[in-house]
Amino acid sequence: DAGVTQSPTHLIKTRGQQVTLRCSPKSGHDTVSWYQQALGQGPQFIFQYYEEEERQRGNFPDRFSGHQFPNYSSELNVNALLLGDSALYLCASSWRVGLAGYEQYFGPGTRLTVT
Amino acid sequence: DQQVKQNSPSLSVQEGRISILNCDYTNSMFDYFLWYKKYPAEGPTFLISISSIKDKNEDGRFTVFLNKSAKHLSLHIVPSQPGDSAVYFCAASVGSNFGNEKLTFGTGTRLTIIP
Repeated sequence: DAGVTQSPTHLIKTRGQQVTLRCSPKSGHDTVSWYQQALGQGPQFIFQYYEEEERQRGNFPDRFSGHQFPNYSSELNVNALLLGDSALYLCASSWRVGLAGYEQYFGPGTRLTVT
Repeated sequence: DQQVKQNSPSLSVQEGRISILNCDYTNSMFDYFLWYKKYPAEGPTFLISISSIKDKNEDGRFTVFLNKSAKHLSLHIVPSQPGDSAVYFCAASVGSNFGNEKLTFGTGTRLTIIP
């Protein structure tokens, strides 16, 4: 049973550029959440997708956008990159419906470096 | 505003002894709490959770205690093993019947088990 997968593993971009990160959820999961983890900090919630729609959003600017596909996989897009966007980007998947608990399963992350 | 706080950045414990990791929160609306463990170059792995209707939950060597009046929870690991060395994150969510709401994380505690 494949867990949550993310690509690429590492990425180096220049200020002002745009980046797309990808995530495939754990088999059977229909909800994908994205988190940003800066160095020395805990993960911070960016947004969550369910049924191909953004359902919840954290305190991140509109430069951060996403998409969910019919197969439940998801993309995170960041436009006009800033140095402060350098972080580990984590994708987490879960079941949306029902009281299955609030356990979210995380992928290994994509390390983004903005120079 | 840090709603979930882990005030100890690091903790060292002898192998075989008890490890106690602490977490405080400020948001009274939080009603579900989780502990995640993170190894380098991996995503956080779910360890154990507790609903606000309980004050204790046990799973093998791991026990989580919740003190709602003090807005405090702790994770006990007994006995501690070398493989427990990792960064531990406390997380909280505001539940709903829909489940799987966004997680708010603390900044983490690095646990080192000394052989």
